[in-house]
Amino acid sequence: ELKVEQNPLFLSMQEGKNYTIYCNYSTTSDRLYWYRQDPGKSLESLFVLLSNGAVKQEGRLMASLDTKARLSTLHITAAVHDLSATYFCAVDGGSGGGADGLTFGKGTHLIIQP
Amino acid sequence: DTAVSQTPKYLVTQMGNDKSIKCEQNLGHDTMYWYKQDSKKFLKIMFSYNNKELIINETVPNRFSPKSPDKAHLNLHINSLELGDSAVYFCASTLGILANYGYTFGSGTRLTVV
Repeated sequence: ELKVEQNPLFLSMQEGKNYTIYCNYSTTSDRLYWYRQDPGKSLESLFVLLSNGAVKQEGRLMASLDTKARLSTLHITAAVHDLSATYFCAVDGGSGGGADGLTFGKGTHLIIQP
Repeated sequence: DTAVSQTPKYLVTQMGNDKSIKCEQNLGHDTMYWYKQDSKKFLKIMFSYNNKELIINETVPNRFSPKSPDKAHLNLHINSLELGDSAVYFCASTLGILANYGYTFGSGTRLTVV
């Protein structure tokens, strides 16, 4: 059974600081996704990582994937209050046959204080 | 607007009732999913359909029955609602079973069983 672990689950940080959220998963997969969720809202796609060594950046967020270590990171640079949200990593696959859907981590609740 | 749309957005109902949630996507995707997000914000896949055919049926009570009349629609019918069914239900879609372009989520249906 595919397991996805995120840490930390809760993070309070100050504006201007840098931090990294980690996502470990238990089985071979090269498809990993990061989502943002604001309270009461849907899941907004941030990054789609489809190969070992993939690195993507959007604004103050950068995500990477190491399939050999089964690890993805979401790095926040010079955090601003608007980035406060819950961030989920999710891994696709289990059977390898497709349409397996996503297995999600428990989410990282990020609060960025002025 | 191209999107995954769900109706209703909110649903409050009594135990024992039967209710349906509808999902439609106009993205030209061929694979659709239902996810459940519980009160702790944990997300878990329930079902996936590819071109109207059921691919995944996770450990979900028989009271839940998905129906896909065509590849643009995936509805969820729930019989004999229980208090534990209270959650937010998200519909999602992908292009292709390998989801190389990521998943698009609907806005969610908040179901409250009283």
